[in-house]
Amino acid sequence: SQQGEEDPQALSIQEGENATMNCSYKTSINNLQWYRQNSGRGLVHLILIRSNEREKHSGRLRVTLDTSKKSSSLLITASRAADTASYFCATGPALSGGSYIPTFGRGTSLIVHP
Amino acid sequence: KAGVTQTPRYLIKTRGQQVTLSCSPISGHRSVSWYQQTPGQGLQFLFEYFSETQRNKGNFPGRFSGRQFSNSRSEMNVSTLELGDSALYLCASSLGTVGGNTEAFFGQGTRLTVV
Repeated sequence: SQQGEEDPQALSIQEGENATMNCSYKTSINNLQWYRQNSGRGLVHLILIRSNEREKHSGRLRVTLDTSKKSSSLLITASRAADTASYFCATGPALSGGSYIPTFGRGTSLIVHP
Repeated sequence: KAGVTQTPRYLIKTRGQQVTLSCSPISGHRSVSWYQQTPGQGLQFLFEYFSETQRNKGNFPGRFSGRQFSNSRSEMNVSTLELGDSALYLCASSLGTVGGNTEAFFGQGTRLTVV
């Protein structure tokens, strides 16, 4: 089963509005990462937040992490049509040999209407 | 700094054939992971290679295999292709350090269609 699950599955907003996506996970994590994927293309890394951090900003992105609730949220402020994409959260504990394999949810499909 | 390069970008194969996909990671990255993405199953982890050794493996049949070369480039092979293998195959490279507080960088993917 997927470690991270995004909510909502789909989100449709107007340009200029804020978009909020949530991610819930099940087990303890080292960190949580958010990615964006434009249709049929590779994933682009957006932001990494460590388990001892509560909030992180990058440009128009704001990520929060609540380890007690095992959840994270991604806020995109002042959205643009170019933000239209699928957004994934990736979580995962350290595995054998110390490697970290991001495990992805099914993503939130965001559509920003111009 | 060049990104992760996957070749080919698109591929059409016939059921029963075999296919090899290639991934060149970012220079200096020693970990390469492979994922299969389909509309129904989402992103599924296939395996991870680090310093030419398979370090972790997902729940895929033995028809899916891979290897990594001394320059960290990785190949993924699928034998006896089935229609259900049609998917976007993504590879990701990272430093692969213990604890893993580093980002994974993805290639553009190879779109495989099995007919």
